[in-house]
Amino acid sequence: TQLLEQSPQFLSIQEGENLTVYCNSSSVFSSLQWYRQEPGEGPVLLVTVVTGGEVKKLKRLTFQFGDARKDSSLHITAAQPGDTGLYLCAGINNQGGKLIFGQGTELSVKP
Amino acid sequence: EPEVTQTPSHQVTQMGQEVILRCVPISNHLYFYWYRQILGQKVEFLVSFYNNEISEKSEIFDDQFSVERPDGSNFTLKIRSTKLEDSAMYFCASSARESGANVLTFGAGSRLTVL
Repeated sequence: TQLLEQSPQFLSIQEGENLTVYCNSSSVFSSLQWYRQEPGEGPVLLVTVVTGGEVKKLKRLTFQFGDARKDSSLHITAAQPGDTGLYLCAGINNQGGKLIFGQGTELSVKP
Repeated sequence: EPEVTQTPSHQVTQMGQEVILRCVPISNHLYFYWYRQILGQKVEFLVSFYNNEISEKSEIFDDQFSVERPDGSNFTLKIRSTKLEDSAMYFCASSARESGANVLTFGAGSRLTVL
């Protein structure tokens, strides 16, 4: 069974601070995605990383896929209250394309 | 922007009752999925559907669950006899392709409460 472990599960920081969320697995994934989920809504895709070692930037968010394609990180620079939400990583294997989700990181950014 | 639409947004039912959750995927998508999220837990894969048949299902998707695409636009999840532990958010998703960098679009979810 493929599992994705996210850490930390909860993170409360002040506006302007930097943070990193980690997503780790013992399994290799063909690609990995990061989602953000607001209360009462479905997950919304932020980014997909496909190549080992790949780094993608989305404004203040930097996503990295590990060289071995078993792990990923999300780094947010100068966090803002609008970044508050649940961040989910999800891996895709080559078999069937289903997403395997991590348990999520609940981020709270206080003004 | 195209979106996946789910109805109802919230359904309350008695244990043992049948429930049908409905989804309208994005019109040119070919792959359809149901996921669920029990309160406080991770999003879990239930089933994927392509070319009018199930392509993959998880251990959760037992004989009490079924999916159907009855009319070419709706994609439904039926739970025949609901149990308390079926209470969860159920998310429908669709995509244009299955493997590789699969981009799923999720609906807003249907909250099922089983009493």
